[in-house]
Parts: sequence; structure tokens; C-alpha cells
Amino acid sequence: AQRVTQPEKLLSVFKGAPVELKCNYSYSGSPELFWYVQYSRQRLQLLLRHISRESIKGFTADLNKGETSFHLKKPFAQEEDSAMYYCALRFSGGYNKLIFGAGTRLAVHP
Amino acid sequence: GAGVSQSPSNKVTEKGKDVELRCDPISGHTALYWYRQSLGQGLEFLIYFQGNSAPDKSGLPSDRFSAERTGGSVSTLTIQRTQQEDSAVYLCASSRGPGQQETQYFGPGTRLLVL
Repeated sequence: AQRVTQPEKLLSVFKGAPVELKCNYSYSGSPELFWYVQYSRQRLQLLLRHISRESIKGFTADLNKGETSFHLKKPFAQEEDSAMYYCALRFSGGYNKLIFGAGTRLAVHP
Repeated sequence: GAGVSQSPSNKVTEKGKDVELRCDPISGHTALYWYRQSLGQGLEFLIYFQGNSAPDKSGLPSDRFSAERTGGSVSTLTIQRTQQEDSAVYLCASSRGPGQQETQYFGPGTRLLVL
């Protein structure tokens, strides 16, 4: 079965430090991976998707099929990055539904 | 334009009562999804509607849960005989279509508390 694992419930860093939020998935086919973010008192929103190979708000994520990972990285964390981050998987044959990980709360301290 | 809206924003009910949660998708979006966000559990897919096709109900946890989408727009998620384990935030999302390039836009959610 398809599964997304985010091993860290909380990641706490200081401003300016590098950040890596881990995401691993289980799926034998070709997945489509996403990162969604939920800032305090805001709705869940798409941060980035692997097929776009883009950098959003300084964040990047590379799909590593060998390690079945899609870790989210940012070289220098900012306080405004503090939020809940969810990794999600969409698989062929699954229509458009997303399989989410449990989420990682990122806390960036001044 | 307006995003996905959900009502009520909060709902407190007693165990055994039925509840209805409403979702208004973005105008023109043909695909609509319901997810459940339980504490520490991430988001769990419940049901998916696409146009006039039969919905994908594979994520509904029990037969107490049902959903309908009238006129291809507004959707209602109904939970019958609520249980305490149904307490969660219920999120609705919509997208322009089912295609793999389509982004899902989420509503603010309905926070349900079953006492």
C-alpha cells in the first residue's frame, strides 16, 4: 500500500540554520510528490511539487527514487518559515487523491 | 477570487448525534475531495468526487460516513451516530480537474468535537 512517512514530529532550529524535513514514501510505481504547508491560523497550501523542480520561498526538494525520499531543504531558515509541513504522494491509478504524512512542525527561533 | 469555503467552522455535538459538514468548492472546479485531520495523524483521504462520475469512497472509515455532491458544486459530508473518535478537523479541497497537473486548494476546515 502507498504510504508516506515523516519521521520527525517537531524540528526546532535557530534562524539562519539549515533545515531538512524528511519524507520517505512507499510506492512501487512512479509517484508524484508534494510538500504542503500550513502556517498558524491559515489553510493548508501547496508549497512545491517535484515535477516542477522549483524553489519556493527558498525551499527545494529532490525526489530520490533509489532512497524513496523527498526531503525538503532550505539553507537558511527564517522565523516566518515556522509552520506545519506535510509531505504528500499521488500515485497513478489513485485518481487525484493525496496520501499525506503525519506532518512535521518546524519551529524557527530567533 | 473566493477560495474553498466550509461551514460550520466549529461543531460540538454529543455522541450519537448526526452532523452535516458543508463544502463550497472554487467555482468551476470539477474535482472535490474530503480529508480528515486527526491529532498527530496527518491528513487522511475520505472521498473524492469528479464531475458526474461515481465518487471514490475508498477512504470512508465506516458506513456511518457518507457524502454527496449536488449539482456538481456544493458537497455535504454526513456523519451519523457520531463517536468520540470522529473528533477531528475535516478538510475539503477542490481542483480544476483530475489531471496530474492540477493543484488541490484547501478550505479552512471544520473542527468537529464529539463529547
